[in-house]
Amino acid sequence: KQEVTQIPAALSVPEGENLVLNCSFTDSAIYNLQWFRQDPGKGLTSLLLIQSSQREQTSGRLNASLDKSSGRSTLYIAASQPGDSATYLCAVRTSGTYKYIFGTGTRLKVLA
Amino acid sequence: DVKVTQSSRYLVKRTGEKVFLECVQDMDHENMFWYRQDPGLGLRLIYFSYDVKMKEKGDIPEGYSVSREKKERFSLILESASTNQTSMYLCASSLAGQGNYGYTFGSGTRLTVV
Repeated sequence: KQEVTQIPAALSVPEGENLVLNCSFTDSAIYNLQWFRQDPGKGLTSLLLIQSSQREQTSGRLNASLDKSSGRSTLYIAASQPGDSATYLCAVRTSGTYKYIFGTGTRLKVLA
Repeated sequence: DVKVTQSSRYLVKRTGEKVFLECVQDMDHENMFWYRQDPGLGLRLIYFSYDVKMKEKGDIPEGYSVSREKKERFSLILESASTNQTSMYLCASSLAGQGNYGYTFGSGTRLTVV
């Protein structure tokens, strides 16, 4: 059974820092992995989708990497801003399934 | 811009009421999903549908049913609302295929059962 873990659960950093959020999963037979952002009381916004054949994806200040063999993904945020404050969730779609399994998220606070 | 629209942002219902949560997508996606999100438990799948009139139970289907009469609309039904169904409900959709497609989520419905 696929399990997804995100560490740390919460993170507080000063503005301008580069930071890394971690996601690990137990079953490496995946279709893809997706990173989401969630603001308080809101839905999830997709940030990056990495296919199982890819090593990384980039969008602006965000870079997501995938190491399937070790069951790990990282989300790198460059030059963090207060507007980046949110909860970040990773989700994994295991091969042969329709659904994503979600981690419980990392709550990020960027201090001005 | 593609969208998944959930009809209500906030709902307050009484115990025992029948509750309908509606979700509509304009992307011609085959797959649609209902999750609930609770503090400390994360997102848990209630039901999903991979085609019109087709549905499958997720991890926590008890107390819920669903309806998908048209491709763009997926409804979640709480047959007799209970206080333990107070939660944030999130609808998502995706294209079908060999897993090359991710989810698009709606903005969520915060349901309170009193």
